[in-house]
Amino acid sequence: NAGVMQNPRHLVRRRGQEARLRCSPMKGHSHVYWYRQLPEEGLKFMVYLQKENIIDESGMPKERFSAEFPKEGPSILRIQQVVRGDSAAYFCASSPGPEAFFGQGTRLTVV
Amino acid sequence: GIQVEQSPPDLILQEGANSTLRCNFSDSVNNLQWFHQNPWGQLINLFYIPSGTKQNGRLSATTVATERYSLLYISSSQTTDSGVYFCAVAINQAGTALIFGKGTTLSVSS
Repeated sequence: NAGVMQNPRHLVRRRGQEARLRCSPMKGHSHVYWYRQLPEEGLKFMVYLQKENIIDESGMPKERFSAEFPKEGPSILRIQQVVRGDSAAYFCASSPGPEAFFGQGTRLTVV
Repeated sequence: GIQVEQSPPDLILQEGANSTLRCNFSDSVNNLQWFHQNPWGQLINLFYIPSGTKQNGRLSATTVATERYSLLYISSSQTTDSGVYFCAVAINQAGTALIFGKGTTLSVSS
């Protein structure tokens, strides 16, 4: 059973471009969470999704950020018009129940 | 919201030493997990332990939910134990975001 798969592992974007981060949960897991880790900080919750539904987006910045988890395919975290402050590691987690399992993360660098 | 405090923030050990990492949380929780973030950034599940005691090899953990703390024990530390150890909690057992502490950075030297 493959783990949580995230791609790309590293992503470089120029200021103003769009970043798309993908996450495929573990087989059988219907809950997907996105977290962001800024330098020198712990992980902060962004959004919680189930198939075709956003359950909790209380941690998402109000502008430029969006997430989806379609019926088919991976979950996508989309950042429009990236700025240098968006540079961070973005982690996806999936769970069948209480215990969450994390992917290896996508390291976004905005230049 | 719930506050999670981990101590110590940094820990330096010689190979073979034992250590105890602590996680205090400010409110009742029904979900608590310990993770190890290795030097490559990968988050590895160590324990799901909302209460009680568990052991896995050289690692063990105890959560005393009524007193709002959890302890992670590392015995006979190895250089591969280096990295950041995170405690994360949630109010609900499932379907709720985890709130992470700031972590304990462990460096084990040979």
